[in-house]
Amino acid sequence: GQQLNQSPQSMFIQEGEDVSMNCTSSSIFNTWLWYKQDPGEGPVLLIALYKAGELTSNGRLTAQFGITRKDSFLNISASIPSDVGIYFCAGAEYALNFGKGTSLLVTP
Amino acid sequence: EAQVTQNPRYLITVTGKKLTVTCSQNMNHEYMSWYRQDPGLGLRQIYYSMNVEVTDKGDVPEGYKVSRKEKRNFPLILESPSPNQTSLYFCASSFGVGSPLHFGNGTRLTVT
Repeated sequence: GQQLNQSPQSMFIQEGEDVSMNCTSSSIFNTWLWYKQDPGEGPVLLIALYKAGELTSNGRLTAQFGITRKDSFLNISASIPSDVGIYFCAGAEYALNFGKGTSLLVTP
Repeated sequence: EAQVTQNPRYLITVTGKKLTVTCSQNMNHEYMSWYRQDPGLGLRQIYYSMNVEVTDKGDVPEGYKVSRKEKRNFPLILESPSPNQTSLYFCASSFGVGSPLHFGNGTRLTVT
């Protein structure tokens, strides 16, 4: 599969802070997805993006499909302890390719 | 409830002892896939299946086999497990390649 560059690799923040992470690709994608993996569980889909420039929210989460179609961003506002987990981006030109994940730790 | 079910959740075995991890989905999905997750390496695809009797290699297929005799089931077979196959394994399914995947809860395999 194709390599996606996801950053940062890990984040350690305080409750209430906003979080930003991003994913870039060398290829143009027509789908960007963001998943969250809770400890001991499988990844769960948070947001799906299908159009360049699209901005979609899911509660405190907001994701954007970059206009170049080679990147995507995920923001979490006012983080809470249950936001802890690994966040994965995935992009598809045809098949899905996954980033290596951003590990988020939130302290009360 | 729509779900992907993997069994077992935890498995400890010895080198060379054949094992099968089962995967079943109840969403009538055509596409199914197996991934392994290792620290620092993210999710790597082992095998995938576009439909019944159609399977293909992913990025890390060595040492694994799969079969897709029925639409709902996609077992992962390790004929002769080795310690480098110690990992967390996920089965996933979707309506088609490139569509959002639904993941199972994982199987943590340890090979000694």
